[in-house]
Amino acid sequence: ELKVEQNPLFLSMQEGKNYTIYCNYSTTSDRLYWYRQDPGKSLESLFVLLSNGAVKQEGRLMASLDTKARLSTLHITAAVHDLSATYFCAVDNYGGRDKIIFGKGTRLHILP
Amino acid sequence: EPEVTQTPSHQVTQMGQEVILRCVPISNHLYFYWYRQILGQKVEFLVSFYNNEISEKSEIFDDQFSVERPDGSNFTLKIRSTKLEDSAMYFCANLLAGSYEQYFGPGTRLTVT
Repeated sequence: ELKVEQNPLFLSMQEGKNYTIYCNYSTTSDRLYWYRQDPGKSLESLFVLLSNGAVKQEGRLMASLDTKARLSTLHITAAVHDLSATYFCAVDNYGGRDKIIFGKGTRLHILP
Repeated sequence: EPEVTQTPSHQVTQMGQEVILRCVPISNHLYFYWYRQILGQKVEFLVSFYNNEISEKSEIFDDQFSVERPDGSNFTLKIRSTKLEDSAMYFCANLLAGSYEQYFGPGTRLTVT
């Protein structure tokens, strides 16, 4: 059974600092997703990583994927308060039409 | 940009009552999903639906749950006899054929009292 583990689950950091969220998954998968969720809101797609070594960047966020280690990272550079949210990584089973399995989420709180 | 829409945004119901949650998918999307998120917890898969039938369902999706596309457009999730533990945010998601990114709707907050 595919399992997705994120750490840390909660992160409080100062503006301007850098930090990394880690996502491990248990079995081979084709795709890894990062989503952002603000309180009471839906899931906003941030990145879709499709292959080993994939790296994507958007503003202060950068995501990478190592399929051999079954590990993805979401790196935050020079955090700003607006990035405060819960970040989920998710993985789907081979096939592309399958369900997405989510991690527990990392609640990021950036202090001004 | 086309969006997935869901109605209602918030539904309050008494335990034992039936509820129907509705989703209007993006046109030409062929795969449909329901997920739920209990407050403060992770998002959990409930069911996937393709070609007018269930493709896969989780252990959460028991006999109290059902899905259908009654008019070929809307995609509904019915809970026949709600329980307190059904209180959660329910998200509909769609996938375009040949694509891999699921688009999530804004969610319906279900509160069972």
